Amino acid sequence: DQQVKQNSPSLSVQEGRISILNCDYTNSMFDYFLWYKKYPAEGPTFLISISSIKDKNEDGRFTVFLNKSAKHLSLHIVPSQPGDSAVYFCAAPGSGNTPLVFGKGTRLSVIA
Amino acid sequence: NAGVTQTPKFRVLKTGQSMTLLCAQDMNHEYMYWYRQDPGMGLRLIHYSVGEGTTAKGEVPDGYNVSRLKKQNFLLGLESAAPSQTSVYFCASSRPDVYSGNTIYFGEGSWLTVV
Repeated sequence: DQQVKQNSPSLSVQEGRISILNCDYTNSMFDYFLWYKKYPAEGPTFLISISSIKDKNEDGRFTVFLNKSAKHLSLHIVPSQPGDSAVYFCAAPGSGNTPLVFGKGTRLSVIA
Repeated sequence: NAGVTQTPKFRVLKTGQSMTLLCAQDMNHEYMYWYRQDPGMGLRLIHYSVGEGTTAKGEVPDGYNVSRLKKQNFLLGLESAAPSQTSVYFCASSRPDVYSGNTIYFGEGSWLTVV
């Protein structure tokens, strides 16, 4: 039973355009959501997070939007750059204070 | 800055062999984790530890054992390796307030192939 779902395995975007990565969750008790970025042959690195009391958090080119009624969050990258090509994971603290649970990831390819 | 260091980085095992993956962190973090990443499956938690001398099972613990004898080290053991354990293994560490949105820090990964 996946608590955090990323239904798009891959996404291809042209350089300079907007990339939108989506994530759905099932547990309405999640307090925080995080996005991680992973390059090949490297470990995941933290990108941006959002508290459940907010509906938007922005950090430079990266913005995360949270829609609690829909149990949906999205990561917007504007403008997209070739260096953004990576796998992006959505994550949330598990139920009962267990560690982070991750989605299956979305592979973003930014084409120059 | 070392952060989280995993050894070995690559290993090929025969079915039935045993091995231990070592994780070391220099950030004085209380919590440590082992995840595995498989194609199409994302990152799945194997075991974790909330402090020295403590361990707990994650989502996919079968076939693995762990030990946290020192705060800075977290060992993942495979007693009898199986081809299904071919994967990339990531160790991570964090402060206890990870549930408040603070991030966890990952190592670079260990590639394990069981033939």
